[in-house]
Amino acid sequence: QSVLTQPPSASGTPGQRVTISCSGSSSNIGINSVNWYQQLPGMAPKLLIYSTNQRPSGVPDRFSGSQSGTSASLTISGLQSEDEADYYCAAWDDSLNGQHVVFGGGTKLTVL
Amino acid sequence: QVQLQESGPGLVKPSQTLSLTCTVSGGSMSSGGYYWAWIRQHPGKGLEWIGYIYYSGNAYYNPSLKSRLTISIDTSQNQFSLKLRSVTAADTAVYYCARGYGASVPDYWGQGTLVSVSS
Repeated sequence: QSVLTQPPSASGTPGQRVTISCSGSSSNIGINSVNWYQQLPGMAPKLLIYSTNQRPSGVPDRFSGSQSGTSASLTISGLQSEDEADYYCAAWDDSLNGQHVVFGGGTKLTVL
Repeated sequence: QVQLQESGPGLVKPSQTLSLTCTVSGGSMSSGGYYWAWIRQHPGKGLEWIGYIYYSGNAYYNPSLKSRLTISIDTSQNQFSLKLRSVTAADTAVYYCARGYGASVPDYWGQGTLVSVSS
């Protein structure tokens, strides 16, 4: 099981707003910023959101992120068919075993 | 634009050692602050952090894999490598190499390479 918890699936129709949640703990999301990856079928993950709410160059502003306490969320506004993909949250985890990146189990987004 | 490319055998026998190399182009591996990571994804499953290394050679491993794992770096060749010993079918996965900076998660990833463990 993954350290961060995400719903396994989400769906929406074109134009809708969809939110994907990510829950962690005091050793990861509670003290470090959350990041989000988008993974299209057969492709490597692509960094979508970093430092909670920052978008790398080229990522549409339809994608936004937020974080509070030990939870975070990714919101996609104006859903488009090309947004159908797997989404993963990720954060650094600081524990007695050192610092490592931990991931959510992924959310499969279906555009109906 | 930095690019990463994984290479290595696509099939490994159980109990043997899985060895992969990541070749980095478009940037120097000796630049301070960057780390070089390995991540894997079991078929149809989520992402698993394997470990990472700095240009200094300091490496940090996922505790669940630490006893079987070695990550090394050769900045003169612009490469870093993964060796996972005593593999089983549970190590069958797509293996990705990636680059990160400071406290950020990896931004550049290789395309990934599927490694199957089977006799």
